[in-house]
Amino acid sequence: NAGVTQTPKFQVLKTGQSMTLQCAQDMNHNSMYWYRQDPGMGLRLIYYSASEGTTDKGEVPNGYNVSRLNKREFSLRLESAAPSQTSVYFCASREKGGTHEQYFGPGTRLTVT
Amino acid sequence: GQQLNQSPQSMFIQEGEDVSMNCTSSSIFNTWLWYKQDPGEGPVLLIALYKAGELTSNGRLTAQFGITRKDSFLNISASIPSDVGIYFCAGQLNSGGSNYKLTFGKGTLLTVNP
Repeated sequence: NAGVTQTPKFQVLKTGQSMTLQCAQDMNHNSMYWYRQDPGMGLRLIYYSASEGTTDKGEVPNGYNVSRLNKREFSLRLESAAPSQTSVYFCASREKGGTHEQYFGPGTRLTVT
Repeated sequence: GQQLNQSPQSMFIQEGEDVSMNCTSSSIFNTWLWYKQDPGEGPVLLIALYKAGELTSNGRLTAQFGITRKDSFLNISASIPSDVGIYFCAGQLNSGGSNYKLTFGKGTLLTVNP
């Protein structure tokens, strides 16, 4: 049981390049989330998917798109990377039901030059 | 957006000391969670709280859900070097529209000197 996995672990992009961050969970969770973490800013929600087939904007969605490919996978796409998107990106998932506990992946460290 | 005020921002303590940190909000929360993040890793859930006044322990960690539902506290007793990391509080608002989302504090960076 791997929990939440993310690929790649590290990535360097040039301004204007595009890329997709991959996330998968094997816990049969309904909801999935993408956060970014910047120094002194804590975790900020980019997009989330409450259930398969739905996606919604979070606090900082500009410059990103997401796809809930199936129940297991939730990808984050940067269409035209900017230096302001240099950050550590975390994917998380949450099971259906009354609890609100989210479980996080190990993160992707992205640098945009 | 909604903000949680987490304090202190950082702490430098000696091994063996007790630690206390807290989060406060102007809004009511249904759930409080405490996470720990080790350097280079993702946050790991430590304790979850679901009822006002609830006091829950996990080893040397104890957390409480404030009676007003607007705050929570985390205490670590007899700290050890592996307690080093960033501790985050997170809350789920008492609002149907926010049912799927958590609000995070900005974290408390804990350093433990051996």
